Amino acid sequence: DIQMSQSPSSLSASVGDRVTITCRASEFISIHLNWYQQIPGKAPKVLIYAASSLQSGVPSRFSGSGSGTDFTLTISSLQPEDFATYYCQQSHSTPLSFGGGTKVTIK
Amino acid sequence: EVQLVESGGGLVQPGGSLRLSCAASGFTFNDYAMHWVRQVPGKGLEWVSGISWNSGNIDYADSVKGRFTISRDNAKNSLYLQMNSLRAEDTALYYCAKDTSGWYRSNWFDPWGQGTPVTVSS
Repeated sequence: DIQMSQSPSSLSASVGDRVTITCRASEFISIHLNWYQQIPGKAPKVLIYAASSLQSGVPSRFSGSGSGTDFTLTISSLQPEDFATYYCQQSHSTPLSFGGGTKVTIK
Repeated sequence: EVQLVESGGGLVQPGGSLRLSCAASGFTFNDYAMHWVRQVPGKGLEWVSGISWNSGNIDYADSVKGRFTISRDNAKNSLYLQMNSLRAEDTALYYCAKDTSGWYRSNWFDPWGQGTPVTVSS
């Protein structure tokens, strides 16, 4: 089974900061990596699919990169509505799996 | 508008059973794979099970294999999760999620329902 690890597990940042979250797969997953945002009390929603493709309607300050085993989610300029928990997820093979999440809080 | 509405959650004793349902609307249900994903309150996300458009491919997380059964009724635009031999560690919010293809590898979940809570306790 493929294990997904995210770092950091939490971070504190200010509005306007550039934020980077990393995700590592325990084995090769090509570009089959997705990023989700979850606001407290809400269902997750997809931000980035296939490692670097921006989901329709998602602001362009979100971007994704990587392939193979190492991936990055970047928020270029953090906005108040971006304070949430972010999860990576691999869809390369079953069982599908998620990273442990990165909680982004206000500094 | 795509809508997924889960139901069937509740309080059940350890060893008991529960059947979750997910009613889908706003898209051609029988074109897409579907999934169940759960989340323990305050914790992360765990994929539970997925089913392809025609039920030809079904997979489970190791943690539920042999106890949970996923199924779908394309005529009723509905997804189900039969949960047997429930344990305290199955307590979670259960989400239904639509895949972006009829087969569920190399894809992603979009959208998700709002979830139905399951509590396993005596």
